[in-house]
Amino acid sequence: QQPVQSPQAVILREGEDAVINCSSSKALYSVHWYRQKHGEAPVFLMILLKGGEQMRHEKISASFNEKKQQSSLYLTASQLSYSGTYFCGTRPDSNYQLIWGAGTKLIIKP
Amino acid sequence: DAGITQSPRHKVTETGTPVTLRCHQTENHRYMYWYRQDPGHGLRLIHYSYGVKDTDKGEVSDGYSVSRSKTEDFLLTLESATSSQTSVYFCAISDSDRGLEAFFGQGTRLTVV
Repeated sequence: QQPVQSPQAVILREGEDAVINCSSSKALYSVHWYRQKHGEAPVFLMILLKGGEQMRHEKISASFNEKKQQSSLYLTASQLSYSGTYFCGTRPDSNYQLIWGAGTKLIIKP
Repeated sequence: DAGITQSPRHKVTETGTPVTLRCHQTENHRYMYWYRQDPGHGLRLIHYSYGVKDTDKGEVSDGYSVSRSKTEDFLLTLESATSSQTSVYFCAISDSDRGLEAFFGQGTRLTVV
């Protein structure tokens, strides 16, 4: 079953922060975060594994709450280059599927 | 860049004809996936593979079949293409057992007329 992402869209001014949430109804083995720009393939941001630590890459970080099967992506001091659609992908404990949420469109304005 | 290539990159075909899309990897990743991406739906899983000759259905598998006879190749076949299968198709590879990220191919834009 597809994970649920929220919000569906966010409009920010450059320098503002954003949080994108991802929720699954299944027990998860891993959560993947990707960003996709129009007409391009999705690009890797972060992977969180069951039992792992919170991950961080520059001004983007993510957390994974195993009890609630929820993950959040935190974008700090957003830059124009952060614009795009963010997808969370989930792999459940029970199989090898990698299923993606419907995406969160992030628009950064100068 | 990860070694994953999709072919063809663009294809226009007629309704009722068979179509095969190829995904080739040089990373020796265990898992391979086929997705379709349509506006408002994100990436929807069609089929996936967890090893040579080991495949399973995803959430939108009707009208599609797959084969994986070698680690490096994962083929997606539309037995009889329909206009509803017009989409952008992405292949992805993963080895998440080792905590590795998934890599996506550049996508195939398929138009069924």
